[in-house]
Amino acid sequence: RKEVEQDPGPFNVPEGATVAFNCTYSNSASQSFFWYRQDCRKEPKLLMSVYSSGNEDGRFTAQLNRASQYISLLIRDSKLSDSATYLCVVNPVKGTYKYIFGTGTRLKVLA
Amino acid sequence: DAMVIQNPRYQVTQFGKPVTLSCSQTLNHNVMYWYQQKSSQAPKLLFHYYDKDFNNEADTPDNFQSRRPNTSFCFLDIRSPGLGDAAMYLCATSTRASGANVLTFGAGSRLTVL
Repeated sequence: RKEVEQDPGPFNVPEGATVAFNCTYSNSASQSFFWYRQDCRKEPKLLMSVYSSGNEDGRFTAQLNRASQYISLLIRDSKLSDSATYLCVVNPVKGTYKYIFGTGTRLKVLA
Repeated sequence: DAMVIQNPRYQVTQFGKPVTLSCSQTLNHNVMYWYQQKSSQAPKLLFHYYDKDFNNEADTPDNFQSRRPNTSFCFLDIRSPGLGDAAMYLCATSTRASGANVLTFGAGSRLTVL
């Protein structure tokens, strides 16, 4: 089993739709969780950290479910500019600086 | 202003010809990373430095080496590139700070092996 797993997609959604991605992680002791966005042939950029109580940043909402070992990202009112690959990132071992990436979920927002 | 700078952005080499990729940072972060990303795959951690302490991933081939002469610079050496080493190489930094650490990436160095 991979340490961090994501549905690769692509998710094709119309503008204005709500879309959600999940990411599962294998190490129950994992400490930190993030969502990164990566545009084609560009570097990943931080979208948001994921906090235990869940957190929201504008149209984006992140949730953590420790019992089931997954994190989620919800995007409301999708824009064309949201088209990208969304990478789940996990710090699996407390006290280390090791970050493991999922393969990413591709999102295409269609006009 | 770019804070993590990678050079060169594009590198073409011949099979077996050594390559060095560089990364510099102006953030004064104490952790630096090298990731390899192939098309449609996740970035794969090769190694990272916490200050001068080197942490190699168990599955990183011996063909890949790294140097960190000071806080600001880190190098990735590929001693004998094979066709399978063609990829985007991403340098990243992070630091111990309040809350979760965040990775800051450079723009990447895209390696082509002929």
